[in-house]
Amino acid sequence: AQTVTQSQPEMSVQEAETVTLSCTYDTSESDYYLFWYKQPPSRQMILVIRQEAYKQQNATENRFSVNFQKAAKSFSLKISDSQLGDAAMYFCAYRSLITSGTYKYIFGTGTRLKVLA
Amino acid sequence: EAQVTQNPRYLITVTGKKLTVTCSQNMNHEYMSWYRQDPGLGLRQIYYSMNVEVTDKGDVPEGYKVSRKEKRNFPLILESPSPNQTSLYFCASSLGPLGEKLFFGSGTQLSVL
Repeated sequence: AQTVTQSQPEMSVQEAETVTLSCTYDTSESDYYLFWYKQPPSRQMILVIRQEAYKQQNATENRFSVNFQKAAKSFSLKISDSQLGDAAMYFCAYRSLITSGTYKYIFGTGTRLKVLA
Repeated sequence: EAQVTQNPRYLITVTGKKLTVTCSQNMNHEYMSWYRQDPGLGLRQIYYSMNVEVTDKGDVPEGYKVSRKEKRNFPLILESPSPNQTSLYFCASSLGPLGEKLFFGSGTQLSVL
């Protein structure tokens, strides 16, 4: 079964600095999607970035970028120029393809990011 | 506005009293699912549905029921809630199999006394 591991329960970063959140996953599939979701105190779930496994190029969305290492099954999120509004819980997620036409999403346990002024 | 509407946002109940958490989406999405979020455990999938009348168990289905009679609605039913079902629940939907993002509801904080 697929698993997603976030080994950092909590991280801190100084405002304007860069931080990297780690995520590893385990799968035997060759085709899948990976996501990072942000959950601020409002508890709303917000998509930060997504990556297709067949794409070698790392996804980027403004200050957010990923380092996708398919062979190592690693999918880390880098936040540049951290802002106070980046403080949130961040979840890594994997979308599997169970059988033809069905799939499920698997989430990690989350990393709480604190941004220090 | 495209959204997933989940109600109620907060619910306090007692052990054994049947309850339903409603979920509705207005985006004609095929895929809908339910998750529970617990500290240190992340989000765990309870049930999911690929389309009308097609549902399947996720990782933690015990104690829950779902139905998908209409494409837009996917209610979560707790027939006999127990304290270990105290949790934050999310409904989510997506268009289909092309990897589109999940659209989440605003969450339901459930306390079972």
